[in-house]
Amino acid sequence: ETAVFQTPNYHVTQVGNEVSFNCKQTLGHDTMYWYKQDSKKLLKIMFSYNNKQLIVNETVPRRFSPQSSDKAHLNLRIKSVEPEDSAVYLCASSFWGGGEQYFGPGTRLTVL
Amino acid sequence: GQQVQQSPASLVLQEGENAELQCNFSSTATQLQWFYQSPGGSLVSLLSNPSGTKHTGRLTSTTVTKERRSSLHISSSQTTDSGTYLCAFHGNEKITFGAGTKLTIKP
Repeated sequence: ETAVFQTPNYHVTQVGNEVSFNCKQTLGHDTMYWYKQDSKKLLKIMFSYNNKQLIVNETVPRRFSPQSSDKAHLNLRIKSVEPEDSAVYLCASSFWGGGEQYFGPGTRLTVL
Repeated sequence: GQQVQQSPASLVLQEGENAELQCNFSSTATQLQWFYQSPGGSLVSLLSNPSGTKHTGRLTSTTVTKERRSSLHISSSQTTDSGTYLCAFHGNEKITFGAGTKLTIKP
């Protein structure tokens, strides 16, 4: 099956903890993305990454960092979560410059 | 399944001309966003417009919910507008991106 996979589906944690979300794509794409989705379902791009470059949205706090082992994986680490980090985090992939992106099911983070 | 069609696939204009980009989607949108992807790859959200008309700067988006379509109008185009414009449609099932319209503005 070719798709974008994310784990976990849900995560509940306390303020100050570190969390890590996984994303894997089997579509053969060379570019992956992380988005934060707010309560109005608006997507805010956080990172775009391929094997050539990492593009970071300048509004993303430094406690967020992407981690990639190869072009099929792009994990998201949050060093010390804060209440405003509660959201759905979506991973996507595409071909570089190709436009169309395919999304994973998302990880819902709740910070208590 | 849920689908998004963008047209035209590519568009070449002279600086100063207006650009009209279309996005058609297969079911009711709970949210619709237009993104711009630069030739260098950075992605920027331009407008969110699930219904009606919205303006920001030289951009106007009109979404007609009943007809399941959205348009993005760029007035007085500039060479820096060159890039790929993507429509992202949030239906009941999931988020689906269109394949994009590649816009080239010639000086």
